[in-house]
Amino acid sequence: SQKIEQNSEALNIQEGKTATLTCNYTNYSPAYLQWYRQDPGRGPVFLLLIRENEKEKRKERLKVTFDTTLKQSLFHITASQPADSATYLCALVGGATNKLIFGTGTLLAVQP
Amino acid sequence: GAGVSQTPSNKVTEKGKYVELRCDPISGHTALYWYRQSLGQGPEFLIYFQGTGAADDSGLPNDRFFAVRPEGSVSTLKIQRTERGDSAVYLCASSFDLAVQFFGPGTRLTVL
Repeated sequence: SQKIEQNSEALNIQEGKTATLTCNYTNYSPAYLQWYRQDPGRGPVFLLLIRENEKEKRKERLKVTFDTTLKQSLFHITASQPADSATYLCALVGGATNKLIFGTGTLLAVQP
Repeated sequence: GAGVSQTPSNKVTEKGKYVELRCDPISGHTALYWYRQSLGQGPEFLIYFQGTGAADDSGLPNDRFFAVRPEGSVSTLKIQRTERGDSAVYLCASSFDLAVQFFGPGTRLTVL
């Protein structure tokens, strides 16, 4: 069955450093992959989308890579800030209906 | 404009009761999705509507769960004979391009 794995442990980093989050998947060949941010008590918020024919995508301090051979995506936040602290969810797009298949999420804590 | 709204924000019910959860999508979004999120997990797909019809209900766990979208806008998720295992946050999302999904804040359902 399809499986998506994200860093199971919380990630603690110092303000100003680069945070790198990992998303690995198996038994799937998605046309594209998305990253969402979720704060406590809120719904996920879309951050970035990367297609299978794109190796890298950037948006301000965010960067996503997508390696379809390794079946892995990396999500980077440069110059991290305490306000970046949240859970980050990786999602693959499933089938013609574009339903999202989410990983369990990685909790990021940026210490001042 | 307004985002996706969901009501109620919290619902506490007793085992065996019937509940209805409502979703108001972003105006003009023809695609609407329902997901369920348990503590520490990513959202899990339940059902997808394109307009008024349920185009994919493969994620509904059993026949106690049902959803409607009679006029192609507001949707209601209905759960009959609730069980304690139904306790979760129920998220609704809408999309205009079947790519990026905009999520509501969710309804936290607690079955006692």
